[in-house]
Formats: sequence, structure tokens, C-alpha cells
Amino acid sequence: QSALTQPASVSGSPGQSVTISCSGTTSTIGTFDLVSWYQQSPGKAPQLIIYEVNKRPSGVSSRFSGSKSGNTASLTISGLQPDDEADYHCCSYAGRTTLVFGGGTKLTVL
Amino acid sequence: QLHLQESGPGLVKPSETLTLTCTVSGGSISNSDYYWDWIRQPPGKGLEWIGSIYESGSTYYNPSLKSRVTIFADRSKNQFSLKLNSVSATDTAVYYCAREQTVGSWLGYWGQGALVTVSS
Repeated sequence: QSALTQPASVSGSPGQSVTISCSGTTSTIGTFDLVSWYQQSPGKAPQLIIYEVNKRPSGVSSRFSGSKSGNTASLTISGLQPDDEADYHCCSYAGRTTLVFGGGTKLTVL
Repeated sequence: QLHLQESGPGLVKPSETLTLTCTVSGGSISNSDYYWDWIRQPPGKGLEWIGSIYESGSTYYNPSLKSRVTIFADRSKNQFSLKLNSVSATDTAVYYCAREQTVGSWLGYWGQGALVTVSS
């Protein structure tokens, strides 16, 4: 069960859009529309921001959106705000009732 | 409002067994809509899924940890627990418990996390 692949870091200026990729395989992202994304501020627990590829939980800003193409999922944050600076983690169902995470991406708002 | 709280020793010696308990309030671990999961995060690193337990008692584990992990539940106390055997320094991490949606496989509620250090 290999971890999903995310860039270690991304950055953007306030107001810009950034996209974080999450690369899996045909055993994970490529087969299941069960990708979720989590935002984690320093010292805090992760918080769900996207589930089932592109759905947003109640209370999550519409500036956060998710998509998937083939074996790769993406999280896009539009209209960057300073409060968006955090770590972002992707997660996919991996079959046989197991989950796999990516290595996490640190977003810096310049 | 659902609340999850991890508890257990913050320091474990190498080769010994790490045991953590997650106490759930505001909801029942016997609810068939959810799995109850353990996830960990080594300092400065990403998240790693450890495993989960269902209301039936069925358990599911990360293949890379399966030989050392046991997850079990005490429904009378609305708690579920993690045992990790033969620990080493690489098991040092913040350990989180979380609730996983059975349909959708997303983790909607997390505990605050418990730091466990493996050191002599």
C-alpha cells in the first residue's frame, strides 16, 4: 500500500489560486471516487474540507474545490487568504476497507 | 456534537506495547454508519492510516503495520483502543482517533491527538 504523492510545498499570493495535486494509482484514486482532503493548521488536528472528490462539508468555503482525472486528484484554493496557510493532506480509499494518505503539502501565502 | 478524546501514556520504552484509548461522546460507536479509525503523524511528516473497527467488531489494518496492531472496542464505555506491539523510535508520533463515514470513506471528526514518544 504505497502512499499517495503530493508536492512538499506550494505557494501563492493573496487573491491568487493554487492547485495541489495528489497522485495515486489504479488501485486507489484511479478506481474509486473516494478522495478526501484535510486542512491542518500547526498543532491542530486535520479538518475535512473536501470529500468524495469534489463535495464540500457544510461550513467550508466555496473557495475550496476538488477534482480528479485518471489517477490524480487535485485541490484548488481560489482567492487565497492568509488564513489558508496550512498543511493539506489528501486521502483515498485503497480497497478492502483501507485508506491511504499523501505525504502532505505545505501551503505558504506570500 | 460528537467529541473524540485520545488518552494513554505519553512515553513508551522501545520493544514495549503502546496502548491508546479513544473515548467518544455525543454519539455511539455502535452506529453502523461509521468506522472508528486510528491515524498517526510522526513529527514533521504526513499522516499514516493505522486501521479501523466497525460496530460488528470487524477490524481493518494498514498492511505495513498489521503484524503489530490490534484495535478493539469497549461498547459499554463507548471507547475504542489501539495496541501497537514491539515499538521503536520510528513509532514516535501524534496519534489521532477519528470517525470514518462507511459510505464515502471520509474522516469527518477527529480527536485532538496524543503525542507518544518511544524512548528509553
